[in-house]
Amino acid sequence: DIQMTQSPSSVSASVGDRVTITCRANQGISSWLAWYQQKPGKAPKLLMYAASSLQSGVPSRFSGSGSGTDFTLTISSLQPEDFATYYCQQANSFPLTFGGGTKVEI
Amino acid sequence: VQLVQSGAEVKKPGAAVKVSCKAFGYTFISHGISWVRQAPGQGLEWMGWISTYNGNTDFAQKFQGRVTMTTDTSTSTVYMELRSLRSDDTAVYYCARAGGPYYEILTGYYQTLDFWGQGTLVTVSS
Repeated sequence: DIQMTQSPSSVSASVGDRVTITCRANQGISSWLAWYQQKPGKAPKLLMYAASSLQSGVPSRFSGSGSGTDFTLTISSLQPEDFATYYCQQANSFPLTFGGGTKVEI
Repeated sequence: VQLVQSGAEVKKPGAAVKVSCKAFGYTFISHGISWVRQAPGQGLEWMGWISTYNGNTDFAQKFQGRVTMTTDTSTSTVYMELRSLRSDDTAVYYCARAGGPYYEILTGYYQTLDFWGQGTLVTVSS
């Protein structure tokens, strides 16, 4: 199975801050990576796919980059509604696997 | 697009649970369904995928032999049954549409989970 490791596990930030979350795969996954946002008590929401493609309807302050084993999700200017937990997921092969999550806190 | 799941369940250890996921707003057979669970306070765990086109499945090894996924194209509904329940199966179970521009309909490869159900809480307790 492909293991996905996210860092940091939590980050404290303020409105307007730039936030970067890292996801590392233990083997190459090309660009087969997605990012999700989850708020308490809600289902995850797809933000990015294919590492750097923005899902329809997602604000442009979210961006993704990387390929192979190292990936990042960046929020360019944190908004109040962005406080949530973020997960990466590899789509290269079964079983699909997720990172452990990064909680973005005030 | 909407995925609507069945309601919360309380089960005893050793029992089985069957959760449904009804799809609305898209061509049902064009997108498979993955199931993902989340234990209280924990991260996301993929359980498996079913093709709504031909019923092909792929399961995480952890659930092999204990999970069944079926599809009913007449009602656009997918079912996930988990048997021999244990207390550590207590979790919210989500269905999610397998999609994305590179999604391969027959194999499920390169899927991103673009729409999710609201989740079903399954509590396993004696």
